[in-house]
Amino acid sequence: GEDVEQSLFLSVREGDSSVINCTYTDSSSTYLYWYKQEPGAGLQLLTYIFSNMDMKQDQRLTVLLNKKDKHLSLRIADTQTGDSAIYFCAETRDSNYQLIWGAGTKLIIKP
Amino acid sequence: GAVVSQHPSWVICKSGTSVKIECRSLDFQATTMFWYRQFPKQSLMLMATSNEGSKATYEQGVEKDKFLINHASLTLSTLTVTSAHPEDSSFYICSARGEKYGYTFGSGTRLTVV
Repeated sequence: GEDVEQSLFLSVREGDSSVINCTYTDSSSTYLYWYKQEPGAGLQLLTYIFSNMDMKQDQRLTVLLNKKDKHLSLRIADTQTGDSAIYFCAETRDSNYQLIWGAGTKLIIKP
Repeated sequence: GAVVSQHPSWVICKSGTSVKIECRSLDFQATTMFWYRQFPKQSLMLMATSNEGSKATYEQGVEKDKFLINHASLTLSTLTVTSAHPEDSSFYICSARGEKYGYTFGSGTRLTVV
């Protein structure tokens, strides 16, 4: 199949790290993306990683890619209330940029 | 799981012609459909939101007469780019929200206007 799977919900305490996980099935994926959707807003591209990379870090965000296990994760350090959103992972595998999407993980921040 | 079928996956058209993009929810009822546009390596820009049977709500700056959205049934929504011009070349993607599932995205349509 061509599934991208992620859990629908994640609850963390403010100040802790959040780790959002994603698994995919197609080993020919070229780029993998993390998008953020805040309530009432469109999708915001957070970061992307090329399939020949293992890790990418950008300020509080760390993306880890385990190509062998087809597992992608997004770690948000020092989670804040402003991080409350739905996070989507997506992959693309050809030059047409067709995207295969996960269903989104809703990140809930507890005070 | 929920599947949204989006067609065509890519299309090339001449300037001045119209192009229709379809999104179908295959195994669930999409009460709300979102249409996005994406430029390379940029975020998806929300163009409009449509609820079944009612007129679409367009985001600021999106021409509703140019991007016609029809959501006539709970399983089908269409986006028609009318009188397309090269600046309309982009990647268009739909997203459907049903009652049970999270957001389900189509695989996108690459439009090239020549």
